Amino acid sequence: QVTLRESGPALVKPTQTLTLTCTFSGFSLSTSEMCVSWIRQPPGKALEWLARIDWDNDKWYSTSLKTRLTISKDTSKNQVVLTMTNMDPVDTATYYCARTRPLSGGSYFDDWGQGTLVTVSS
Amino acid sequence: QSALTQPASMSGSPGQSITISCTGTSSDVGSYGLVSWYQHHPGKAPKLMIYEGFKRPSGVSNRFSGSKSGNTASLTISGLQAEDEADYYCCSYTLSNTFVFGTGTKVTVL
Repeated sequence: QVTLRESGPALVKPTQTLTLTCTFSGFSLSTSEMCVSWIRQPPGKALEWLARIDWDNDKWYSTSLKTRLTISKDTSKNQVVLTMTNMDPVDTATYYCARTRPLSGGSYFDDWGQGTLVTVSS
Repeated sequence: QSALTQPASMSGSPGQSITISCTGTSSDVGSYGLVSWYQHHPGKAPKLMIYEGFKRPSGVSNRFSGSKSGNTASLTISGLQAEDEADYYCCSYTLSNTFVFGTGTKVTVL
């Protein structure tokens, strides 16, 4: 059974850096064709893909946010970390991590965490 | 990368069918054709309903079906049931090796 759980601060101040951790089980990021993505949803708005990290440590970022995002993995801990710099109130959202299939595997998100709400406010 | 275009809302009576459209460009929906659909009940994790345009994951009802024509993908829900009431999002892989989601459609069962 695959599970993913997001963790991180519920509240951050404008200009601060957000660090979120995705802890997962039921698969390994050292296995070929396994990837993990971060996706967010501002209140009342649509889902937005942010970043993806692959089993071979390839990294992919949203074009509009790439200058602010860094994704990394700790395979031994089954964790993926996302950092987002210079946080702004418009970044208030529920942040999800999701197991992701790469291009060769169909390119979709087949398991999701429950999400963690991050509010940006002074 | 602009979001894929979906109708904001759709509704139907129990037993009816509805089809949700998802319009993109030749750089996303019209490229690899790797469109997936997600059902999202507020407060819960989104659920994969369709992948690679038309394939259903194990456990997803065959009342859900997907298709694609050109730059537009579609999700059809047949035999609408109360538990189908949710938000639905399409998502496409792009030529830039990124993902783009749709604007989302709120489905109401009357």
